[in-house]
Amino acid sequence: LAKTTQPISMDSYEGQEVNITCSHNNIATNDYITWYQQFPSQGPRFIIQGYKTKVTNEVASLFIPADRKSSTLSLPRVSLSDTAVYYCLVEGSARQLTFGSGTQLTVLP
Amino acid sequence: DADVTQTPRNRITKTGKRIMLECSQTKGHDRMYWYRQDPGLGLQLIYYSFDVKDINKGEISDGYSVSRQAQAKFSLSLESAIPNQTALYFCATSDSDRGTQYFGPGTRLLVL
Repeated sequence: LAKTTQPISMDSYEGQEVNITCSHNNIATNDYITWYQQFPSQGPRFIIQGYKTKVTNEVASLFIPADRKSSTLSLPRVSLSDTAVYYCLVEGSARQLTFGSGTQLTVLP
Repeated sequence: DADVTQTPRNRITKTGKRIMLECSQTKGHDRMYWYRQDPGLGLQLIYYSFDVKDINKGEISDGYSVSRQAQAKFSLSLESAIPNQTALYFCATSDSDRGTQYFGPGTRLLVL
């Protein structure tokens, strides 16, 4: 199983860029990296997915180095509503699904 | 996401009771999952199903069973509930191995 390691918590201020890094040393060739966001008492919600290099969508960017042993979720110009738990997930098949403990991001005014 | 519904949303039960949590989806996905989340922790996979005839154990299946009644319905049962099964339970669906998972609103279970 490709276990993931993330910081437990991070603080930021409104308007700043936030980068959350995830370590996944045992990632397999066919695995993808997916990030989810979870608000209290709600189910996680998909943010972004990537395999290598860089992926960008309307809410975030995902940077994956060549060795793919880590990935960085980048949230541009965060707001108070971005306060949530962010999970890094390595996905190859359901048999390898592993949610870590996530990173609690707190955005301060 | 209204496309994935869970019932009940909250449940209090007593030790030793059998209970069932239900999940329904209108997304037309073949894959369905049950997760458990303990306070302050991440999600742990209990069971998953790739289609009606394919059901598999996840990380923490002991004490749980599931039934895939139809493509759209996936139920989780606690055969004999115990207090350490008190948690938030989520159902999710996806259309492929690396497809986006769509989560239901969760069921908060308290076992006394």
